[in-house]
Amino acid sequence: DAGVTQSPTHLIKTRGQHVTLRCSPISGHKSVSWYQQVLGQGPQFIFQYYEKEERGRGNFPDRFSARQFPNYSSELNVNALLLGDSALYLCASSLDGRSSEQFFGPGTRLTVL
Amino acid sequence: EDQVTQSPEALRLQEGESSSLNCSYTVSGLRGLFWYRQDPGKGPEFLFTLYSAGEEKEKERLKATLTKKESFLHITAPKPEDSATYLCARGIREKLTFGTGTRLTIIP
Repeated sequence: DAGVTQSPTHLIKTRGQHVTLRCSPISGHKSVSWYQQVLGQGPQFIFQYYEKEERGRGNFPDRFSARQFPNYSSELNVNALLLGDSALYLCASSLDGRSSEQFFGPGTRLTVL
Repeated sequence: EDQVTQSPEALRLQEGESSSLNCSYTVSGLRGLFWYRQDPGKGPEFLFTLYSAGEEKEKERLKATLTKKESFLHITAPKPEDSATYLCARGIREKLTFGTGTRLTIIP
């Protein structure tokens, strides 16, 4: 059974550019969450979507946005990239996003130059 | 504010030397305490969920326990392949709040 998939694996951008990261959840899971992990830290919550609706938002600026599609896949968009946005971006899927476990994908490594 | 604190930050053990990792957290609204394993450059791998004080779960050489304010991950007779960063997280409504992890190194 396929796990959570993310694309691309690696990405290099320059300051001021825009980036779109993609995630496909485990089959049957309706909730997708996004996390940012900088080196040496634990993942930080960015967003959660359930049934295409935003259920939660972490302490990130409006440059970060996301959406969930009818097939439950999701995109994370980041505008006006800053050097500090360089991180591993993780997608996690779960059945309902609240009482059930979250399973993580391999992540997208974003480097902003 | 939600807080999860893990200790120690790093731990080096000889192969076969058992030890424990600690995760302490603020209590309000707890909806599960989660343990993950993370290898360098990869996404966290789910290990355990604990919901109630006194609960214990085991998987191979790992056993997780939960009290009202902390959780322990016990590693029995570890092998080099157990080397990784171990993350704990508490679930609050829709989000997981993570600690900074314990970097475990098992020396052959």
